Amino acid sequence: DQQVKQNSPSLSVQEGRISILNCDYTNSMFDYFLWYKKYPAEGPTFLISISSIKDKNEDGRFTVFLNKSAKHLSLHIVPSQPGDSAVYFCAASAVYGQNFVFGPGTRLSVLP
Amino acid sequence: EAGVVQSPRYKIIEKKQPVAFWCNPISGHNTLYWYRQNLGQGPELLIRYENEEAVDDSQLPKDRFSAERLKGVDSTLKIQPAELGDSAVYLCASSFPTGGRGNTIYFGEGSWLTVV
Repeated sequence: DQQVKQNSPSLSVQEGRISILNCDYTNSMFDYFLWYKKYPAEGPTFLISISSIKDKNEDGRFTVFLNKSAKHLSLHIVPSQPGDSAVYFCAASAVYGQNFVFGPGTRLSVLP
Repeated sequence: EAGVVQSPRYKIIEKKQPVAFWCNPISGHNTLYWYRQNLGQGPELLIRYENEEAVDDSQLPKDRFSAERLKGVDSTLKIQPAELGDSAVYLCASSFPTGGRGNTIYFGEGSWLTVV
């Protein structure tokens, strides 16, 4: 029973274009979300977060959108760069929760 | 500032042997997590500590896994005896609880276990 889903195992995008990574969740108690990036042989590194009181959060080239009614969030990377090629994980937590549930990840390849 | 430090980075053992992983969290972070990540999947929580207390170990297979966090800083995760299915990356993470939203967890580089 996957509470956090990332239905696209992989995504390829041309350098300079927009990358859109999607995440869906089933637990209506989730109200805080994180995105992580993971390079091979390294641990996940934090990218950006969003809480349910917002529907958008932006940090440089990275923007996360949250649609609570659809239980859906997305990470936009604009413009995409070859160095963005990595596996991206979505993680969710309930109110005041400390335990984050992770999705299975989406492998992004940015082609030069 | 030093990040989360884990050792060893890589370990290959035969099944039925014991193995232990060590983690030193970011200074000042009193919440410590152990996650396991299987190939092609996201990290799954094994245990969470608040200081030296294990507040959530519901996903820890207690028949063969054990963990401790003496003095509320470093932590050790042990597997005894190891099985083939334990091959995975064991990730340690830490955070400084904010008492509400805004918590962010920071991961170490992971300990890669192969059981043969």
